[in-house]
Amino acid sequence: QKEVEQDPGPLSVPEGAIVSLNCTYSNSAFQYFMWYRQYSRKGPELLMYTYSSGNKEDGRFTAQVDKSSKYISLFIRDSQPSDSATYLCATLTYQGAQKLVFGQGTRLTINP
Amino acid sequence: DAGVTQSPTHLIKTRGQQVTLRCSPKSGHDTVSWYQQALGQGPQFIFQYYEEEERQRGNFPDRFSGHQFPNYSSELNVNALLLGDSALYLCASSAPLAGGPSNEQFFGPGTRLTVL
Repeated sequence: QKEVEQDPGPLSVPEGAIVSLNCTYSNSAFQYFMWYRQYSRKGPELLMYTYSSGNKEDGRFTAQVDKSSKYISLFIRDSQPSDSATYLCATLTYQGAQKLVFGQGTRLTINP
Repeated sequence: DAGVTQSPTHLIKTRGQQVTLRCSPKSGHDTVSWYQQALGQGPQFIFQYYEEEERQRGNFPDRFSGHQFPNYSSELNVNALLLGDSALYLCASSAPLAGGPSNEQFFGPGTRLTVL
């Protein structure tokens, strides 16, 4: 079983739609959860992170963690064509060094 | 600030050859991590370097090795290349360990390696 699982999509929605991206994880000891955005031919960039359970909002983006079900979500409101990218969920582990464990990534396209 | 830089951008090699990829960390960062991202997959941790030593290693064979220099830049070496080594190789740098995700890892644009 992979430590972090993510539906690879692809996902295509019209401009202005609400987008929901989801991941599950296997280890209940995980505490930090991240969402990265990766544009084509670029490295991932950190979008948001949350600690333990709860919600975190940043503009049009909301990250949500439900530790009881080991479920991570990212919601994008009023989606824009510029949001078209691959979204990667990740968790941070520490075993002598901080290591990011990523999901497979979901390719998102916002159609004008 | 130039951020994390990697060279070369693209590389084509044949099976059995050896390759060296280079990374310069973001200014002020002393820790460098390397990740492999196969097409359509998320990045996978290869190893991390701090104070010129390998601190942790992912599930990669010994054909993958690295080095960190006193100026914190780093190299990733892959020997005896296989077709399956074709991927985007990402370097990420982070500041001195502060704990938690405040120690954000900043990624470079990657080196795309194609093995024929």
